Amino acid sequence: AQKVTQAQTEISVVEKEDVTLDCVYETRDTTYYLFWYKQPPSGELVFLIRRNSFDEQNEISGRYSWNFQKSTSSFNFTITASQVVDSAVYFCALSEAEDSNYQLIWGAGTKLIIKP
Amino acid sequence: NAGVTQTPKFRILKIGQSMTLQCTQDMNHNYMYWYRQDPGMGLKLIYYSVGAGITDKGEVPNGYNVSRSTTEDFPLRLELAAPSQTSVYFCASSYRGQHEQFFGPGTRLTVL
Repeated sequence: AQKVTQAQTEISVVEKEDVTLDCVYETRDTTYYLFWYKQPPSGELVFLIRRNSFDEQNEISGRYSWNFQKSTSSFNFTITASQVVDSAVYFCALSEAEDSNYQLIWGAGTKLIIKP
Repeated sequence: NAGVTQTPKFRILKIGQSMTLQCTQDMNHNYMYWYRQDPGMGLKLIYYSVGAGITDKGEVPNGYNVSRSTTEDFPLRLELAAPSQTSVYFCASSYRGQHEQFFGPGTRLTVL
């Protein structure tokens, strides 16, 4: 069965620290997609990244980086030199290529608090 | 492009009242979804649609109805509001072949 686990319910760090949000997934599909979304205190849901299962290259975008490891079924998200504006709930999600409805399987989210 | 728009932003209903949450997207996306997010929780899929005239139930469809007469619009109907339906409702859309979903700003609904 498909499942996404974000074991960290809440993380609190001081500004400028690096922080990693964990995401572990389960799927029987050989082709799938992984996502990260950000939900700031204002409430909207912002798409951050999509990673395809056949592309294990890590991705870097400014202070954000993503580490995809099929061997451990993980898709972790690291924020380098965190800032107060990074405070948000972050969701990891999975979509299977065999699902023609393109449904997303969501993790429970990790609340990230960046203290000044 | 406005993306995905939702109206209203906020609404308070009394128990037993009905209302329709509106969702419109201008990206010509085939797929549309309705989620609810209870306080401090993740997203639960209510209904989805893969194209005009086609809808299907998600994880928590009871108490809701949808229709999809056009590509752009996907309204969500609450027939007999109950306190358990107090939540934030998000509409999302995606393009065929692109699994990422793009979200509207949400509607915060309180049922008293």
